[in-house]
Amino acid sequence: LAKTTQPISMDSYEGQEVNITCSHNNIATNDYITWYQQFPSQGPRFIIQGYKTKVTNEVASLFIPADRKSSTLSLPRVSLSDTAVYYCLVGDGYSGAGSYQLTFGKGTKLSVIP
Amino acid sequence: KAGVTQTPRYLIKTRGQQVTLSCSPISGHRSVSWYQQTPGQGLQFLFEYFSETQRNKGNFPGRFSGRQFSNSRSEMNVSTLELGDSALYLCASSAGVIVNEKLFFGSGTQLSVL
Repeated sequence: LAKTTQPISMDSYEGQEVNITCSHNNIATNDYITWYQQFPSQGPRFIIQGYKTKVTNEVASLFIPADRKSSTLSLPRVSLSDTAVYYCLVGDGYSGAGSYQLTFGKGTKLSVIP
Repeated sequence: KAGVTQTPRYLIKTRGQQVTLSCSPISGHRSVSWYQQTPGQGLQFLFEYFSETQRNKGNFPGRFSGRQFSNSRSEMNVSTLELGDSALYLCASSAGVIVNEKLFFGSGTQLSVL
């Protein structure tokens, strides 16, 4: 089963770019990498998803190297409202029992400082 | 378009009891997945239903079960509650075309087992 590893916490000042890296050494060949943001007392919210190279949307960029064993979420010019927990999600492929596993990382708690 | 709705929002039970949680997905979504979130273990995948069939399953004991109705609404049941079952239970819906596609989460049900 794939395991994901992320830094437990990060601090950043407002206006800076933040990069959060997730390691996923055993990602399935055909699986996507997805990042979510979670505020207290709320469910996670989709940020971005990618398979390889680079993906960019209106809120973030996702960098995935050729070996796909890691990915980096980049948040440009963070603000106080970006203070949240960020999770990366990958699939583990099919287990022996035929079930497809989904593994969330432990999450990275980002604190944005004024 | 209404989001994912989970009821109840809060629940208090005692050990040995059973509990049923409900999830109404976004209209048109056929996949509903369930997750357990605790401070120690983070977000863990329970199971996923698609068109009334359990399609994927995580590593939880048989006390945790679920079902999905023809209108895609889903229920999760936990029998013989243990103190360690205290957690935030989240459900997410998606179109269900691929397993790891964009998930839309509800706000969760906070279960406390006394």
